[in-house]
Amino acid sequence: RKEVEQDPGPFNVPEGATVAFNCTYSNSASQSFFWYRQDCRKEPKLLMSVYSSGNEDGRFTAQLNRASQYISLLIRDSKLSDSATYLCVVNWVSGGYQKVTFGTGTKLQVIP
Amino acid sequence: DGGITQSPKYLFRKEGQNVTLSCEQNLNHDAMYWYRQDPGQGLRLIYYSQIVNDFQKGDIAEGYSVSREKKESFPLTVTSAQKNPTAFYLCASSISGTGSYEQYFGPGTRLTVT
Repeated sequence: RKEVEQDPGPFNVPEGATVAFNCTYSNSASQSFFWYRQDCRKEPKLLMSVYSSGNEDGRFTAQLNRASQYISLLIRDSKLSDSATYLCVVNWVSGGYQKVTFGTGTKLQVIP
Repeated sequence: DGGITQSPKYLFRKEGQNVTLSCEQNLNHDAMYWYRQDPGQGLRLIYYSQIVNDFQKGDIAEGYSVSREKKESFPLTVTSAQKNPTAFYLCASSISGTGSYEQYFGPGTRLTVT
């Protein structure tokens, strides 16, 4: 089983739709979680951290389910500019070193 | 403005040549990372460094080498031993410590080896 798994998509949704992505992780000792956005041929950019209590930033909501070992990202009122690949990232500390694992990403295409 | 710079943006080399990719940050981050991304694939960790003069191999270190002589700089050398060097190379940095912290990325270098 991969350490971090995402549905590659693509998710093709109309403007204004609500879309959700999940990301599962295998290491129960994982400590912190993030969602990044990557545009085509660009570097990943931090979208939001994922807190145990869940967090919201405008149209974006991230949640963590430790019992089932997954994180989710919900995008409401999708915009054309939301089209990108969304990467989940899972961190844990091992032997004093931070271990970082990226998912392979979920591609979102918002259609006019 | 604080950030991470990578140069050059595009790099072309002939097979058999070593090439060094530059990564500089002025975020005062202790930790720095090198990743490789192939088309349609996720990021794979090549090397990382938590502090000056110390670095660790990642998942795909073979054919690569790094140095960390200064906090701000973490250059990556792609050697002729790397079998498939053509890829998008991304450098990142983060706060280091006992917790887990988000990483910030440079714009990347696209290396093409023919």
